[in-house]
Amino acid sequence: NAGVTQTPKFRILKIGQSMTLQCTQDMNHNYMYWYRQDPGMGLKLIYYSVGAGITDKGEVPNGYNVSRSTTEDFPLRLELAAPSQTSVYFCASSARDTQYFGPGTRLTVL
Amino acid sequence: DQQVKQNSPSLSVQEGRISILNCDYTNSMFDYFLWYKKYPAEGPTFLISISSIKDKNEDGRFTVFLNKSAKHLSLHIVPSQPGDSAVYFCAASPLDDYKLSFGAGTTVTVRA
Repeated sequence: NAGVTQTPKFRILKIGQSMTLQCTQDMNHNYMYWYRQDPGMGLKLIYYSVGAGITDKGEVPNGYNVSRSTTEDFPLRLELAAPSQTSVYFCASSARDTQYFGPGTRLTVL
Repeated sequence: DQQVKQNSPSLSVQEGRISILNCDYTNSMFDYFLWYKKYPAEGPTFLISISSIKDKNEDGRFTVFLNKSAKHLSLHIVPSQPGDSAVYFCAASPLDDYKLSFGAGTTVTVRA
């Protein structure tokens, strides 16, 4: 049982490039989330989904897009990467209140 | 506006002693509270939770206390062990809303 998996683990982007962070969960959870964590800060919610085909914005959605075509997958798309998007990104899933996190993707935009 | 605050960025404790981590919140709609533990280069892992109908929840060496009137919760780790050295995040969510608000975290160092 893998839980929540994320790829890639690390990535360096140039300003203006785009990329997709992948997230997959095998727990059949309806709820999925994307967070970013900046140094010395807590996790901030970017986007979330309550089920396939349903997504909504979190606290810091600007510069990101998501889709949820299946229960298992919740990719996060960065368009026109900016230095402010340098962060560690965590994907999580839950059946109810308790969220389970992936190992994270460390993204640097130069 | 940060709704969950952990005012102590770090805590150093001797092995075998008690670690007490504190968390304050401002949103009176918060109904469910969680603690997560995070090691470097890993994702947060769920540690323990408490709902607003309780004032205490215990799981082995970990106990969470909730004081609703003070909008305050704490995590006690007894006895502290070297493997407890990690960053601990407090999180909260409102009733029937599973989105979590996180504190900034407290780094715990357990000294041998």
